[in-house]
Amino acid sequence: QVQLVQSGAEVKKPGASVKVSCKASGYTFTSYGINWVRQATGQGLEWMGWVIPNSGNTVYAQKFQGRITMTRDTSTGTAYMELSSLRSDDTGVYYCTRNYEGLQYWGQGSLVTVSS
Amino acid sequence: QSALTQPRSVSESPGQSVTISCSGTSSDVGGYNYVSWYQQHPGKAPKLVIYDVTQRPSGVPDRFSGSKSGNTAALTISGLQPEDEADYYCCSYAGTSFVFGGGTKVTVL
Repeated sequence: QVQLVQSGAEVKKPGASVKVSCKASGYTFTSYGINWVRQATGQGLEWMGWVIPNSGNTVYAQKFQGRITMTRDTSTGTAYMELSSLRSDDTGVYYCTRNYEGLQYWGQGSLVTVSS
Repeated sequence: QSALTQPRSVSESPGQSVTISCSGTSSDVGGYNYVSWYQQHPGKAPKLVIYDVTQRPSGVPDRFSGSKSGNTAALTISGLQPEDEADYYCCSYAGTSFVFGGGTKVTVL
């Protein structure tokens, strides 16, 4: 069955960077895009961008342009999202999700806490 | 890209119906038939309940239905059940990106 398993919780200081991983299994990794969605504490869902595993091409939400990088490793079936220049309002849960006929498969979420 | 507009909350009694609206523009909701809806219970990952405006994934009860008219999409939950109490988010394709709505809390009275 399709599974997306994300890396664990992280605590970072303001100004630092965080890199979250998302390991896919149960399907051909290069066949579907991977989106990243975040949910700040007590807030709604926010689309951050997506990576096309086959080509490595990316599209980022304008809000994160300049401080976000999405990559993938096709040999391990893993997607990565790195966010830099972290601020306190970046605290929240970060999800990876597979793109096909909606966002049907989601990772379990990775909590990122930004605190001095 | 501005967030899609949803009502903050709706409530109804068990067995009744609720409809959640999702208002966008011709650049997102109105421009593509790629509106999806997600149910989220507290502390859980979102769950897809509708994709491509009207399509239901396997395993989603048929009391969930979707529609669209112009720049506004809607999710209707018929025969409301206690387990339907959750937050609901719409999402639309917008050319090369996606945009979510602000979310609607559905309360089953």
